[in-house]
Amino acid sequence: QSVLTQPPSASGTPGQRVTISCSGSSSNIGSNTVNWYQQLPGTAPKLLIYSNNQRPSGVPDRFSGSKSGTSASLAISGLQSEDEADYYCAAWDDSLNAPEFGGGTKLTVL
Amino acid sequence: QVQLVQSGAEVKKPGASVKVSCKVSGYTLTELSMHWVRQAPGKGLEWMGGFDPEDGETIYAQKFQGRVTMTEDTSTDTAYMELSSLRSEDTAVYYCATLQLVRGWFDPWGQGTLVTVSS
Repeated sequence: QSVLTQPPSASGTPGQRVTISCSGSSSNIGSNTVNWYQQLPGTAPKLLIYSNNQRPSGVPDRFSGSKSGTSASLAISGLQSEDEADYYCAAWDDSLNAPEFGGGTKLTVL
Repeated sequence: QVQLVQSGAEVKKPGASVKVSCKVSGYTLTELSMHWVRQAPGKGLEWMGGFDPEDGETIYAQKFQGRVTMTEDTSTDTAYMELSSLRSEDTAVYYCATLQLVRGWFDPWGQGTLVTVSS
């Protein structure tokens, strides 16, 4: 069972805005930054958002991240078919002295 | 730009060991903090361990303590992850990934190495 909790699935139609939540605790999200990874089918994870809300070069501004207290969210606006993937949140956990991943959310574009 | 290229797929019998390599290009291994993450079929990402730049030591997830060894060959800029006493539950794709800053984010990732444990 993951320390960070994500919904197992999410869906939306092209053009819609979807959000994916990530819930943690004071020892992880509450005291460290949150990162998000996108994993397209059959490929390695790719960094999508770092330090709560920063986008690496090349990531469209349709993707945005936010954090409040012990929860974080990933928002995808103007949903596109190529956004269909698994999304993972991650944060360092001070109690475990280890990085922790959420269980992942499978995003389906209807 | 850092690139990570991993070794090919492996098939091992229960009880055996496997050693996966991760070749770095674009930077030297000494400039990086290399970590390993695995993903069982249809499951999520699981951190196994990696180099802690704060302490200058390799740290391992408690789950793998005593069974995993992560090493580096700086002469070839290649990192290695060896997992011993393999069992069927170790069947997974193993990724190397570079940790940015201290307690930062993983970027980039290797392409992954499938390890299948089967009798």
